[in-house]
Amino acid sequence: DGGITQSPKYLFRKEGQNVTLSCEQNLNHDAMYWYRQDPGQGLRLIYYSQIVNDFQKGDIAEGYSVSREKKESFPLTVTSAQKNPTAFYLCASSIVFFGLYEQYFGPGTRLTVT
Amino acid sequence: KNQVEQSPQSLIILEGKNCTLQCNYTVSPFSNLRWYKQDTGRGPVSLTIMTFSENTKSNGRYTATLDADTKQSSLHITASQLSDSASYICVVTGTSYGKLTFGQGTILTVHP
Repeated sequence: DGGITQSPKYLFRKEGQNVTLSCEQNLNHDAMYWYRQDPGQGLRLIYYSQIVNDFQKGDIAEGYSVSREKKESFPLTVTSAQKNPTAFYLCASSIVFFGLYEQYFGPGTRLTVT
Repeated sequence: KNQVEQSPQSLIILEGKNCTLQCNYTVSPFSNLRWYKQDTGRGPVSLTIMTFSENTKSNGRYTATLDADTKQSSLHITASQLSDSASYICVVTGTSYGKLTFGQGTILTVHP
């Protein structure tokens, strides 16, 4: 999966608990992204980061938070404020922010909240 | 509203047969179009990327076409293999540094 690791692959949480999904890349990419994938829908952008110590909200940022303290790491926290957190979460990176450069995706984390 | 629509939603073919997946988009202005393959429970992997000036691009048994005038793209798979069973996602970018707009994917199942 192109040098991007996500852990864990499966995650189960009780409603009301915050949970953090890990994303690490060894591609030396500046830009990193978090997407959410639901059945029958296209990927939706949660947050993105163009460089270290900078990140921006995507289309569906409510109930999520991120940090980018290191170039290779972009963890996503799903908070209890996210109304429907059960989904498949994908992390991606690219050399630079969006553009013509390819986005490489990690293997994903399937989060189930009950 | 920028949209990417794919058809069919799902497709079943026999091993060795060819198939064509369709992608229509309303994203404007247009910068580039990508096709990704996503195996079940895995992250998408890029197959092709085309800018507005390209109308055909191949990657092995995969050939993508683009008609920027009609805002349509297709992905043709030749001599399908069982390993082609996956979801194929069409992704369009509106400007050189714009966000990606994802289609919902076409689920392809190849039977022996």
